[in-house]
Amino acid sequence: AIRMTQSPSSLSASTGDRVTITCRASQGISSYLAWYQQKPGKAPKLLIYAASTLQSGVPSRFSGSGSGTDFTLTISCLQSEDFATYYCQQYYSYPLTFGQGTRLEIK
Amino acid sequence: QLQLQESGPGLVKPSETLSLTCTVSGGSISSSSYYWGWIRQPPGKGLEWIGSIYYSGSTYYNPSLKSRVTISVDTSKNQFSLKLSSVTAADTAVYYCARRGTDRWHWYFDLWGRGTLVTVSS
Repeated sequence: AIRMTQSPSSLSASTGDRVTITCRASQGISSYLAWYQQKPGKAPKLLIYAASTLQSGVPSRFSGSGSGTDFTLTISCLQSEDFATYYCQQYYSYPLTFGQGTRLEIK
Repeated sequence: QLQLQESGPGLVKPSETLSLTCTVSGGSISSSSYYWGWIRQPPGKGLEWIGSIYYSGSTYYNPSLKSRVTISVDTSKNQFSLKLSSVTAADTAVYYCARRGTDRWHWYFDLWGRGTLVTVSS
């Protein structure tokens, strides 16, 4: 199975900050990567797929980049509603696997 | 607007079989564009893909659970189901049903149910 490793595991930031979360795959996955946002008690919400394509309805302050083994999710100007846990997921091969999550907290 | 809703017992005894159903409303489960799947999340932990099924019955399972998992589909009821046998406390989790695309570039999960907590305890 392809292992997905996110860093950092947690991150403190303030409203208005620019933050970047990294996801590394244990082997090359081309651009078969998605990012999700999860708030407490809620299901994950798809933000980005194909490493950099924004899902419909997702604010443009979210962006993704990378290919191969290294990927990033950037939030350009944090809003209060962005404080949540973020997960990456590879869909290059089965089994589909997720990163362990990055918790974004208010500083 | 298509929605997914999980249902089933919230408490299962150790060694028994966990059974959940996901009802698809506002659209057809028989779409050629989607696979339907299960993902779980132990309390305070990350996400684990369990498996996926096509309306024809074609399945993919996570090898880590394959020996205990069965996913089936009932197109007449617009539902698909999960059975996980020989459960232990480690199977305690929120179980989500979710949709993913069939196209190679769309194997991500774009629609999720709200999730249901299943606790394994005697």
